[in-house]
Amino acid sequence: DTAVSQTPKYLVTQMGNDKSIKCEQNLGHDTMYWYKQDSKKFLKIMFSYNNKELIINETVPNRFSPKSPDKAHLNLHINSLELGDSAVYFCASSHIRTVQETQYFGPGTRLLVL
Amino acid sequence: AQSVTQLDSHVSVSEGTPVLLRCNYSSSYSPSLFWYVQHPNKGLQLLLKYTSAATLVKGINGFEAEFKKSETSFHLTKPSAHMSDAAEYFCVVRPTSGTYKYIFGTGTRLKVLA
Repeated sequence: DTAVSQTPKYLVTQMGNDKSIKCEQNLGHDTMYWYKQDSKKFLKIMFSYNNKELIINETVPNRFSPKSPDKAHLNLHINSLELGDSAVYFCASSHIRTVQETQYFGPGTRLLVL
Repeated sequence: AQSVTQLDSHVSVSEGTPVLLRCNYSSSYSPSLFWYVQHPNKGLQLLLKYTSAATLVKGINGFEAEFKKSETSFHLTKPSAHMSDAAEYFCVVRPTSGTYKYIFGTGTRLKVLA
């Protein structure tokens, strides 16, 4: 059973398009995250939801909009895609109750904007 | 402010020789510390974590790390490198208070030479 899953795994699209990436976790965690990993492998936190409430909202363009329909799902919608959005996007989940909680990552979605 | 520094962006070792990946952290409180591994085109996998129970932490695949508060370090070691250890390694700190974030280092790419 896949603990944290993302769809699609690969996404190739044209500039200006709108696309969504979906994430689901079956670990019973209450908190989910989106990270962006650039070509140099730097991981940058974008958003986090706890029980469907936004708790981390980093400085990202407002073309990026997360949505959490329930605590097992966190989707990322990107409007008007730009070349610089090309990256690998990782979803992760954890419990928030203590700082010792481990984050579990999905396999990533590789986005290429042409 | 909390931060984590991975001192080497690249490390090369010969197969069968020891591995040392260095990590220093800055935190006002006693943090939790993690090491993750990312193999090419894969997601992040937890290697080990420190949660104040013991300063020497053993992880998967023969890796271990020692928490040294006086040096604010959490270096990752392995006695004998295997070809399959070639990957990107991330040191992560989660402060005990003030943030929900996991703070990632910039990563160390480990190359294992035959």
